[in-house]
Amino acid sequence: AQSVTQLGSHVSVSEGALVLLRCNYSSSVPPYLFWYVQYPNQGLQLLLKYTSAATLVKGINGFEAEFKKSETSFHLTKPSAHMSDAAEYFCAVSAYTNAGKSTFGDGTTLTVKP
Amino acid sequence: GAGVSQSPRYKVAKRGQDVALRCDPISGHVSLFWYQQALGQGPEFLTYFQNEAQLDKSGLPSDRFFAERPEGSVSTLKIQRTQQEDSAVYLCASSPTAAEGSPLHFGNGTRLTVT
Repeated sequence: AQSVTQLGSHVSVSEGALVLLRCNYSSSVPPYLFWYVQYPNQGLQLLLKYTSAATLVKGINGFEAEFKKSETSFHLTKPSAHMSDAAEYFCAVSAYTNAGKSTFGDGTTLTVKP
Repeated sequence: GAGVSQSPRYKVAKRGQDVALRCDPISGHVSLFWYQQALGQGPEFLTYFQNEAQLDKSGLPSDRFFAERPEGSVSTLKIQRTQQEDSAVYLCASSPTAAEGSPLHFGNGTRLTVT
């Protein structure tokens, strides 16, 4: 069984500040981990994925995430927030045992203040 | 190229009506998933197809929900005798392979409101 916990349903940062969105996972087998972004009235878009290669994963729009097995975490960061980063972010986990079916967290809404 | 297309974008149904939601995945994508997203929550898995075969329907909440993908491309999610608790956004996603770790390509969803 797998699960995802996203700590903080709402995060607010100032433009230019560091973005940190937290994700902890539970998986009985080695996981694949993903971050997706969802803009209003749109579907989810892939930001980045971890599939057991490098533990530091770089994605689109300047985002990156670090897989820490000992902490069962996959936190998403961006050094400098931009107004266009305001959206909802979802962390997801899947495993080879379930044919790619992903389990999602409840999401974190990021607000960027000017 | 075209992404995953879902129709209709919005659907209002009276309680008890049947609805059909369509998903047109990216051409050639083997895997197709349906998810239900309630307000303020993450997507919840409903069902999974590999080509035309429905390999997992463990997430369908009741026998009122039925999905098909008869030719391995377009899929339809049907909800019979809709209830208010069925109100949600229904997301379709496709993936080019059945390989583990393959990310999902999502459509924009169908927002279903049951009155």
